[in-house]
Amino acid sequence: GDSVTQMEGPVTLSEEAFLTINCTYTATGYPSLFWYVQYPGEGLQLLLKATKADDKGSNKGFEATYRKETTSFHLEKGSVQVSDSAVYFCALSDYGANSKLTFGKGITLSVRP
Amino acid sequence: DSGVTQTPKHLITATGQRVTLRCSPRSGDLSVYWYQQSLDQGLQFLIQYYNGEERAKGNILERFSAQQFPDLHSELNLSSLELGDSALYFCASSVDGTRTEAFFGQGTRLTVV
Repeated sequence: GDSVTQMEGPVTLSEEAFLTINCTYTATGYPSLFWYVQYPGEGLQLLLKATKADDKGSNKGFEATYRKETTSFHLEKGSVQVSDSAVYFCALSDYGANSKLTFGKGITLSVRP
Repeated sequence: DSGVTQTPKHLITATGQRVTLRCSPRSGDLSVYWYQQSLDQGLQFLIQYYNGEERAKGNILERFSAQQFPDLHSELNLSSLELGDSALYFCASSVDGTRTEAFFGQGTRLTVV
């Protein structure tokens, strides 16, 4: 079945540092890819998405590019803020029986002032 | 606000009891998902419905059941509760449940004592 692998965490960065969170996937079809963010005490929010190869999703300064050749969808931000502290989940959704959102384990990001 | 409504927000109950969690999807969304989030297991997919029919099933225990009604709201029934069932239960909805993003509710925090 489909699966998503995220880099191990947690990650602690200083404000204005560069962020990369790695995500790779395995899928039988041609999935859409997503990054979700969960702030403390809240539900998951869609951060960005990409639906086909070489698409770049972007939102709030975060970016991720759909790389079919390396089956990756790494999340990047050039300058993190304290308010970016949250848990980040990579996910995919495919067709048919694999249409459910499959999530990675999530990674906790802490940004210190 | 994602537009997905879950009730109740918090639930405390005793072992052996039965509870029902309710989810109202975003207006126009036909697909509903249920996820369980615990500290040690991460985000686990339970079940997905599309327009009243079960579409995909994850690691849902036999003690748990769900359904989606004609008005598209969904209920998750948890019975013979055990301490290990204590977790956050999220509902999400999407337009058609295929390669599309899902929007999450705020979750129901279940505590079994």
